[in-house]
Amino acid sequence: EAQVTQNPRYLITVTGKKLTVTCSQNMNHEYMSWYRQDPGLGLRQIYYSMNVEVTDKGDVPEGYKVSRKEKRNFPLILESPSPNQTSLYFCASSLNRGKQFFGPGTRLTVL
Amino acid sequence: GNSVTQMEGPVTLSEEAFLTINCTYTATGYPSLFWYVQYPGEGLQLLLKATKADDKGSNKGFEATYRKETTSFHLEKGSVQVSDSAVYFCALLITDKLIFGTGTRLQVFP
Repeated sequence: EAQVTQNPRYLITVTGKKLTVTCSQNMNHEYMSWYRQDPGLGLRQIYYSMNVEVTDKGDVPEGYKVSRKEKRNFPLILESPSPNQTSLYFCASSLNRGKQFFGPGTRLTVL
Repeated sequence: GNSVTQMEGPVTLSEEAFLTINCTYTATGYPSLFWYVQYPGEGLQLLLKATKADDKGSNKGFEATYRKETTSFHLEKGSVQVSDSAVYFCALLITDKLIFGTGTRLQVFP
């Protein structure tokens, strides 16, 4: 089954404790992206990757890092999380930019 | 700049009612337009799309027509069901960037 998986689905952490949210897709898509969803703001792109070893900033990259060492994986790294990064995070992948396949989301709370 | 504006929700309807969710856009160029749907606890799924002016996208009884003259892409359905309850996002694709609206929550009651 074609899918995008994210782990963990839920995470509560404390300020400053490094964390990684994993994202994996099994569709051989070149393009992958991370979004955060906040009430009243919709989805905002954090980082995206056009292919292996090619990543670029989206609209709200501050406080986040990503890597793309393999085509299927695109982890999101928060080196020093802060409470304003409490949000719902989605990973997505696509062959073309319009039809994106989304993961189920990761709800992160930073205390 | 490029942006999408959606009507604020929630939109509350009875089953079998007619649905319209308004979406207008601002874009420098000729975007493709999309509607995505997010069911409770899930990620977004593509519902329908239109790639040029006057195109009509349709899926699962939902329709939207790309209106260049009014820069709009309103979502409609003739008869909603309880299972249509979800958050609907309008989006535009321009210069390889997908820009989302803020989403409109639809609640359908039996």
